[in-house]
Amino acid sequence: QSVLTQPPSVSAAPGQKVTISCSGITGNNPISWYQQVPGAAPKLLIYASIRRPSGIPDRFSGSKSGTSATLGITGPQAGDEADYYCGTWDSSLNAMIFGGGTKLTVL
Amino acid sequence: QVQLVESGGHVVQPGGSLRLSCAASGFNLRGYGIHWVRQAPGKGLEWVAFIWNDEKNIHHADSVKGRFTISRDTSRNTVYLQMNDLRAEDTAVYYCARDATRGWDLDYWGRGTLVTVSS
Repeated sequence: QSVLTQPPSVSAAPGQKVTISCSGITGNNPISWYQQVPGAAPKLLIYASIRRPSGIPDRFSGSKSGTSATLGITGPQAGDEADYYCGTWDSSLNAMIFGGGTKLTVL
Repeated sequence: QVQLVESGGHVVQPGGSLRLSCAASGFNLRGYGIHWVRQAPGKGLEWVAFIWNDEKNIHHADSVKGRFTISRDTSRNTVYLQMNDLRAEDTAVYYCARDATRGWDLDYWGRGTLVTVSS
């Protein structure tokens, strides 16, 4: 049972901006976001709530405010169709927790 | 380059045991923590266990506590997950992932190994 809550699915047309929320954050540890295309391992998209690893396009962005975080994708492409997960370390549980995942469909 | 390769996944009967391996290359385990994360068929990510670079910080998810044990062999640059008393609900792809040591993000993942618990 996920402690972090994400919408099950979102959709967007190319050229639009789509956002994926992650709520229920407790504590001060940063949020990371992962992309998982079908049949592949997850891939780190955003770390420290707002930073992109090298090689991640700047159409991906992250933000955090209070108990929620948001992943933004500007101008999603067909190749961005995937499941997206937020995650963080819960220091009270001594456990990594993930959101339930959000499936992105590009119309 | 950084690479993580899991192995050891198999079909096993309920109550059985299995040991998974995560072989690291391109970096030294002494400087990083490693997580095991699993994904049941058609489901989301579930964290399983974590071992820090000094081995003093080891944690397991409540769902596997007392049955699974994470460990590492720095001479082999390999992390293990010993799984005992396996149950049907442990059926999943098991991934190992490197903790980037900057804020609990997992920067490199292996391709995963499939564990199926079935009679």
